Amino acid sequence: AQSVTQLGSHVSVSEGALVLLRCNYSSSVPPYLFWYVQYPNQGLQLLLKYTSAATLVKGINGFEAEFKKSETSFHLTKPSAHMSDAAEYFCAVGDSGNTPLVFGKGTRLSVIA
Amino acid sequence: NAGVTQTPKFQVLKTGQSMTLQCAQDMNHEYMSWYRQDPGMGLRLIHYSVGAGITDQGEVPNGYNVSRSTTEDFPLRLLSAAPSQTSVYFCASSRGGKTYNEQFFGPGTRLTVL
Repeated sequence: AQSVTQLGSHVSVSEGALVLLRCNYSSSVPPYLFWYVQYPNQGLQLLLKYTSAATLVKGINGFEAEFKKSETSFHLTKPSAHMSDAAEYFCAVGDSGNTPLVFGKGTRLSVIA
Repeated sequence: NAGVTQTPKFQVLKTGQSMTLQCAQDMNHEYMSWYRQDPGMGLRLIHYSVGAGITDQGEVPNGYNVSRSTTEDFPLRLLSAAPSQTSVYFCASSRGGKTYNEQFFGPGTRLTVL
């Protein structure tokens, strides 16, 4: 069975500081990995996804994530936080079949001016 | 394209009442799913469908029914509402019947059961 662990339910950073949101996964097959973002009172939207083409994945709004198989991790980073990045971020794992995505519990990012 | 639409946006029910949350997509996506979001619990899958006429249970299916008679629509029925079903409900869809494709989410329905 697949699972996702997001370390830290709440992360707070200063504007302009590095953003690092952690995600570790468990999967018995090669995984597909995703980061979704949810702005207040909205649905989720895709930030980026890993599908085995390249280990460093670039997404929207300056975010990127690196797939590290040895560490079973897919951490999300952004070099410089902006106030508009304040949102909840979800990591998810899937596979090549019809198995539904498994989401982590989410990390709420606060950006302090 | 309207994408994924959900109605209603807000709903208040009394315990024991039934209702249907509507979900529709205009992207011809085969895969559709329903999630509930509760504080500290993330997204939990209720039911999903890989195509018209095919549905399956997710992690938390009890108290909910679904059907998929068309590609476009995937309604979620609460049979007898309970306070534990107070939550925000999201519908999502993706193409090709595969969950590894990008999922598109609706704006959500906020349900309160008194």
